[in-house]
Formats: sequence, structure tokens, C-alpha cells
Amino acid sequence: SAVISQKPSRDICQRGTSLTIQCQVDSQVTMMFWYRQQPGQSLTLIATANQGSEATYESGFVIDKFPISRPNLTFSTLTVSNMSPEDSSIYLCSVVTQTGTEAFFGQGTRLTVV
Amino acid sequence: DAKTTQPPSMDCAEGRAANLPCNHSTISGNEYVYWYRQIHSQGPQYIIHGLKNNETNEMASLIITEDRKSSTLILPHATLRDTAVYYCIVRVDNYGQNFVFGPGTRLSVLP
Repeated sequence: SAVISQKPSRDICQRGTSLTIQCQVDSQVTMMFWYRQQPGQSLTLIATANQGSEATYESGFVIDKFPISRPNLTFSTLTVSNMSPEDSSIYLCSVVTQTGTEAFFGQGTRLTVV
Repeated sequence: DAKTTQPPSMDCAEGRAANLPCNHSTISGNEYVYWYRQIHSQGPQYIIHGLKNNETNEMASLIITEDRKSSTLILPHATLRDTAVYYCIVRVDNYGQNFVFGPGTRLSVLP
């Protein structure tokens, strides 16, 4: 199993600013993913955080808006840049274990942009 | 796009079995059926997964039809704490493969 700690758990931010979300895992994992969950919606994959190389972004998400760092096998950050109210969502970090069987999720970061 | 179809909502009486259906008619031979749930304000939680045999663990049972085109998640004795959104996901069992979430089923366990 894997235990994931996400920080902050929630924040209220002014439009035009940026917020960096941290994801710390208690064990080394190869695959880390970032998801967005808009109000009342399901989870949507933003990107795969690759260790040692640039993140792989899904259609509709770009690096300038959601830069991701992955300095080692236990840590990643997601930045939401130049925020607007439409960015108000829950952002979740997820990891898949080496066996590839299960995904584990952080508790999420609830972001409100005003 | 999600490869599964689930009813948007269901109700279940506390103490009774909750049977949550999922259709995955286009599932490939190497894709597993996974179930996750998301309790309000929490991250998704793994429940169970299987390939073609029925599976049971301490949380639930998974019944997969012989043609693998549908499955049912069974919570044998639902409690109020089981109220959540339940997601059925088909996925290749590979650590490089992400999980694609559909809308899920909102299960309400009623006292």
C-alpha cells in the first residue's frame, strides 16, 4: 500500500495568482498522477508526473497552466497558474504501486478562486 | 472516455445488501474490472478488482458475468458509512496505466 499526504488540504486564492500543491508518498513509486475534480463531477486526469523528465499532459491541459515537478520517486508538485474562478476544483494526487494493481489517492486539495 | 456504464444513483436500506451494476460491453481480454468509491470530501478508495473470476474481500464481493460484459459489486450488509459515489473502471493491469473515471453511481444508504 501507499500513504499519500497532500498539502494544502484547502485554500482560497485570488484570481491571477498561483498555488502549488505538494504530494508526498511514504514509499518510492514509479507512477504518479494528478487529477482534477470539478464541483459535482467525476475525476479527470490532468497529467502523469514522470521522474526525471517532463510530465505527460492529457488533452485540454497544458504545461504553462499546470506545471508539474517530480524531483524524486516520493514527491511531486502541481502548480495551478494564473488562476481564475473556473479553476475552483479539488485537485488529487494518485500513485500506482509497482505491482500495478491498485491506485492510491491523496485526500485532495480543495481550491476556491475568488 | 470511460468504458463503463453505471446507473447515476441508487438507494439501499441499512443492513441490506447493496448490489451495484456496471456494464462494460467493450472490455478487452486483458482488462480488469476495478471498483473504487469516494466518500464525500475524501479521495477515492480502492474496493476490489477482478479479471474473470468472482472475487471477495473484507469490503465487498465482485461478480463478473461469464462473457465479462457486465459486473456487480455487492456490499453484503450496507451501513450508513457506505454512502458514497461508486466507480466501476476497466483497466489493463499495468502500473503505467492510469485510471479513467466515469460519473459513477451515487449510493445512498437509508436508515
